[in-house]
Amino acid sequence: SQTIHQWPATLVQPVGSPLSLECTVEGTSNPNLYWYRQAAGRGLQLLFYSVGIGQISSEVPQNLSASRPQDRQFILSSKKLLLSDSGFYLCAWTDRGGGEAFFGQGTRLTVV
Amino acid sequence: QQQVKQSPQSLIVQKGGISIINCAYENTAFDYFPWYQQFPGKGPALLIAIRPDVSEKKEGRFTISFNKSAKQFSLHIMDSQPGDSATYFCAASRELTGGGNKLTFGTGTQLKVEL
Repeated sequence: SQTIHQWPATLVQPVGSPLSLECTVEGTSNPNLYWYRQAAGRGLQLLFYSVGIGQISSEVPQNLSASRPQDRQFILSSKKLLLSDSGFYLCAWTDRGGGEAFFGQGTRLTVV
Repeated sequence: QQQVKQSPQSLIVQKGGISIINCAYENTAFDYFPWYQQFPGKGPALLIAIRPDVSEKKEGRFTISFNKSAKQFSLHIMDSQPGDSATYFCAASRELTGGGNKLTFGTGTQLKVEL
């Protein structure tokens, strides 16, 4: 069966520090991978998606970047965090045909 | 611009009652409409989903009603239970240029089922 791992679960970082959140998927090949951010009262916003290794598309301009070094690994990064980067970050995957998205357990990021 | 509007923002239902959450969309390119359930501190989990060629889909106590002409869809939870207390998100999916699918989410409904 397929599983998705996302870590860490919580993170407190100072303003200006770097960020690296990692997501890995097991039990499937060639998944589409996604990073979402969830803000209270605003649902989930798609930040990045990837349809293959090294292929990254950004949905919104921001202080973050994403990379996909391996087929089932997706990384969300920042060189210098801003206060506004605080939020709940979720990794998700779908198979090539789209449809159902499976989410990780999320990372609660607090920038102080 | 919010492409999927969800209401109500919060809902309190008595145990055994029916919970109804409504969503409306604008983009006719959407071709898949899932509902997600989220418990505090957890990622969303798919509850039930429908494609626009079907007007209703039922799975256990959960039913999606879909009105393509009105661009509206709703979730009905029959015989609501305290364990159903969670945040519910509707979503609409469309294909992205170059592959992949984008889920556009509603703003969520906090459901509380009281004894």
